[in-house]
Amino acid sequence: NAGVMQNPRHLVRRRGQEARLRCSPMKGHSHVYWYRQLPEEGLKFMVYLQKENIIDESGMPKERFSAEFPKEGPSILRIQQVVRGDSAAYFCASSPVGDYGYTFGSGTRLTVV
Amino acid sequence: SQQGEEDPQALSIQEGENATMNCSYKTSINNLQWYRQNSGRGLVHLILIRSNEREKHSGRLRVTLDTSKKSSSLLITASRAADTASYFCATANNNDMRFGAGTRLTVKP
Repeated sequence: NAGVMQNPRHLVRRRGQEARLRCSPMKGHSHVYWYRQLPEEGLKFMVYLQKENIIDESGMPKERFSAEFPKEGPSILRIQQVVRGDSAAYFCASSPVGDYGYTFGSGTRLTVV
Repeated sequence: SQQGEEDPQALSIQEGENATMNCSYKTSINNLQWYRQNSGRGLVHLILIRSNEREKHSGRLRVTLDTSKKSSSLLITASRAADTASYFCATANNNDMRFGAGTRLTVKP
């Protein structure tokens, strides 16, 4: 079991470009969470998805950010027209149905230059 | 939205001392979990305590939960330099999990 895989590990984008962050949950996990960690700050919840459904997107900025978790393939966090303030580490976690210890990926570090 | 709030935000101790971190939350929970994050790495799950449990141990870790006060504490005994990391509490209610901002622990050799 390879665990939660996030890629890329590091992503550099120029202002105005699009960033796509991928998260492959653990096998058998149908729940995915995205978190953002700004430098020197804690994790902040962004969005909670189940297969093909967004359950809670209360932590997502209203503009430029979107997330999906299709029936097949990884979950994607998409940031359009990136700005310097989007520079952060983005973590994804997955879980099976239930509320026990979740498994986190190693994160994608986005740098906007 | 955030749920758990860790206290203190930062803690610096000498190797061998005990470290205590607290977490408060606002709504009802099914369980509460503690995670560690080493700088530049992903999160590592440390321990889970269910809402009907009051105390749990795992090696040098001791977690308490007081649901009446909506608070939890994580105690690391006989700390080591390798314990230097950020520690997060996370609350789970059904399939919804939320993290606090974390406590940055520094253990000096």
